[in-house]
This record gives sequence, C-alpha cells and structure tokens, in this order.
Amino acid sequence: GAVVSQHPSRVICKSGTSVKIECRSLDFQATTMFWYRQFPKKSLMLMATSNEGSKATYEQGVEKDKFLINHASLTLSTLTVTSAHPEDSSFYICSARIGDDTEAFFGQGTRLTVV
Amino acid sequence: LAKTTQPISMDSYEGQEVNITCSHNNIATNDYITWYQQFPSQGPRFIIQGYKTKVTNEVASLFIPADRKSSTLSLPRVSLSDTAVYYCLGWNRDDKIIFGKGTRLHILP
Repeated sequence: GAVVSQHPSRVICKSGTSVKIECRSLDFQATTMFWYRQFPKKSLMLMATSNEGSKATYEQGVEKDKFLINHASLTLSTLTVTSAHPEDSSFYICSARIGDDTEAFFGQGTRLTVV
Repeated sequence: LAKTTQPISMDSYEGQEVNITCSHNNIATNDYITWYQQFPSQGPRFIIQGYKTKVTNEVASLFIPADRKSSTLSLPRVSLSDTAVYYCLGWNRDDKIIFGKGTRLHILP
C-alpha cells in the first residue's frame, strides 16, 4: 500500500513551547489528510480534517488556535501544537487519502511528551 | 458514516482461526467496510476492505452478508504477532474517518 511518513516519531518539549509534526505522503498525492490523537488504551480521536489549499475543519472541542494545521501541498500536512502543556502529551497520528479513493493510509504516529 | 459495534476484547490461541464480528446497522448504500490493525505505539495498518459478499487477501478474509448490517473479519491460523487492536469502519469517500473502540485481540501461546 501507499506510504505515509510522520516526523518526528518522538518528541519531548518544554511546557510553553511549540512543536511541529509533519505528515508526508511519499508515493501519492493526498487531497485529504486527517489528524488524530490517541491516549493510552483508547481509540483514535479525530481532531481535524485538512484539505490541500484550504483551511482545516476541526472537530468539536478541538481548539484550532492551539492545534494549527497547514496542508500547503498535496504531499505535506503539518500539525503545530502551540504553547504546549503537559495535558497535550499524547500520541498523534495522521492519515492520508488518495483522491476520491475509499482507502486511507496512516503514519506511524508521533509520541509527544510535554514536560 | 456507519456507527460500528465490536466486542471489546477477545482471546485466542496460536494456530486457531479468529473471527471478529462488527455490527453496523446504519450502514449507507455507498459505505465501504474497512478493517484496520493497530499495534501499540504505531499507526493503524490497513488489513482489508469490502462492499459485499466475501473478500480475501494474503492476510485475512472479510465476510459481508447481503444486508450489510454486519461484517466478520477472519484471521486464519493466528500467531502471537497478531495480538493487536482491530478496528472496523464503515465509511465512504465523502466521510471523515471516525474510529470506534475496536477489539483488543490477545493471542495466547
């Protein structure tokens, strides 16, 4: 299947700083990308849907000013956690869909720890 | 986007066939049924997708009855490495991809 790469896989940052997570589709163009967060032993929770060239659509309860999403090209979407706090520590996962296809491929995830 | 219900957890033994059933009573005409596997600290991995009847690939089989209100993922001869969480989703190209709670499968030696 298609490959979606996330970077970094792990990051530790200090409280109050910002962290950027990249999600790249390596061998296909992704018009739509999804961002999730996952707490231990819980399911993936959709944070936002991002379409190339337009603003992301955030799920209810997700602060768009805190979780900045940019989908500037068909192969790259970024999630920036601004002014991170310990409660933002989580596993963040991106997913990319090929055009109008019904298959979606997931990145390997990014473990964020805010200290 | 179909609301899905799966068993929370299942145990099985190495070498057995495992069947995980998912209920999706409100599945829409244009929804596909997709199953993903997730290991700890990794992103979900696509296993199989189908619309109706039976689909088989090198990893699993997916059985979907005519009314499409449920589906069964069949894993032949499981091994310890199949211990993971399995998610069933019913969605189409116009949907967001929303995950249910999944089934935690534990394979015993």
